[in-house]
Amino acid sequence: EAGVAQSPRYKIIEKRQSVAFWCNPISGHATLYWYQQILGQGPKLLIQFQNNGVVDDSQLPKDRFSAERLKGVDSTLKIQPAKLEDSAVYLCASSQAGAVLSGANVLTFGAGSRLTVL
Amino acid sequence: GNSVTQMEGPVTLSEEAFLTINCTYTATGYPSLFWYVQYPGEGLQLLLKATKADDKGSNKGFEATYRKETTSFHLEKGSVQVSDSAVYFCALGVNSGGYQKVTFGTGTKLQVIP
Repeated sequence: EAGVAQSPRYKIIEKRQSVAFWCNPISGHATLYWYQQILGQGPKLLIQFQNNGVVDDSQLPKDRFSAERLKGVDSTLKIQPAKLEDSAVYLCASSQAGAVLSGANVLTFGAGSRLTVL
Repeated sequence: GNSVTQMEGPVTLSEEAFLTINCTYTATGYPSLFWYVQYPGEGLQLLLKATKADDKGSNKGFEATYRKETTSFHLEKGSVQVSDSAVYFCALGVNSGGYQKVTFGTGTKLQVIP
């Protein structure tokens, strides 16, 4: 099966500019996640979708970050305006189900989009 | 809240050495536990998992046992290879409101030298 697709792989912008990242999850995966991974740190969950509804966005800086998942498939993460501290890799992941019924919920990650804010 | 604490890296080992990467967790309820690996230039991928106490996850020669009494999930491998050089992330999954939230540790970089 095809993996999780993300684009662009690399983006360099000036502070106060805007940027958008796109993610196409594995076909049939209901749950989609956006994580932020700053260099030297572990991934931090920004937002989690179940189909096209948000189930967790508690760590999303809503004054500058927004995300949507139209039709419960593709998703876009936007940053406007960007700050220097937003420099990071933005990881998209998907999984078959958000609720653990019979076992652990395994995430499949894309390769990530590396953002550099100058 | 839920959190994962991993031993700091980098860890440098000679080929065929024994590997342990420590991981402890704090969580409410009964979390699932995972180890993910990130090879150079690649995305994170699942290495192994365990869903309940005393379960042992294993894959590619790596093992980890879910220890509820010590809230630990240490990663071990008896004989590492150069190809095991990567960053290893311990993670826990907790059910919250009918959905599973996955929290990652900070990662431990492993370098294996010939």
